[in-house]
Amino acid sequence: KAGVTQTPRYLIKTRGQQVTLSCSPISGHRSVSWYQQTPGQGLQFLFEYFSETQRNKGNFPGRFSGRQFSNSRSEMNVSTLELGDSALYLCASSPSGGRFTDTQYFGPGTRLTVL
Amino acid sequence: DQQVKQNSPSLSVQEGRISILNCDYTNSMFDYFLWYKKYPAEGPTFLISISSIKDKNEDGRFTVFLNKSAKHLSLHIVPSQPGDSAVYFCAANYGGSQGNLIFGKGTKLSVKP
Repeated sequence: KAGVTQTPRYLIKTRGQQVTLSCSPISGHRSVSWYQQTPGQGLQFLFEYFSETQRNKGNFPGRFSGRQFSNSRSEMNVSTLELGDSALYLCASSPSGGRFTDTQYFGPGTRLTVL
Repeated sequence: DQQVKQNSPSLSVQEGRISILNCDYTNSMFDYFLWYKKYPAEGPTFLISISSIKDKNEDGRFTVFLNKSAKHLSLHIVPSQPGDSAVYFCAANYGGSQGNLIFGKGTKLSVKP
């Protein structure tokens, strides 16, 4: 089975721009979560989607948004980029997000640099 | 306010010896705990988990211990191997799904031959 894929792998943007990152989960997985990793804050949860619905949301401003399509692929969007948004954005998928039963599989991440 | 803390940013261990990675949490609602391993340029990989109804879970060389009263968990790796060198993240969760994990900042383990 192919793993979780994220595109693009690297991205450079300037302040004020917006960006869209894409995540393709493992085939058959319906839960997709997004995390931001920075040196100072570590891995922080952004949001989780399941069957095209946002199921959980972390403590991030409204500039961060996401969506999930009927084929379970997910995108996240960051508008009005700030320097502090420079980070590794990780996507994880699991069959249903079920606790005690499912394993979450992470993609390699998209490295976003905001200049 | 960090709900999951890994107070040791790094740990160095000799090959063949035991590695002990520690994690503390503050939120008493957490009832599911996981450890992930991360190599450079790769996403985290799931290692082992434990629910709050247990105090120990073992999988091969990896054992996780949970002390609910102290709000503390630890990951033991025995014996340690050079391939175990990576950043280890502790994560915790409560609620209906596993999709919203709260992570610690990680501990970098170096296993020296």
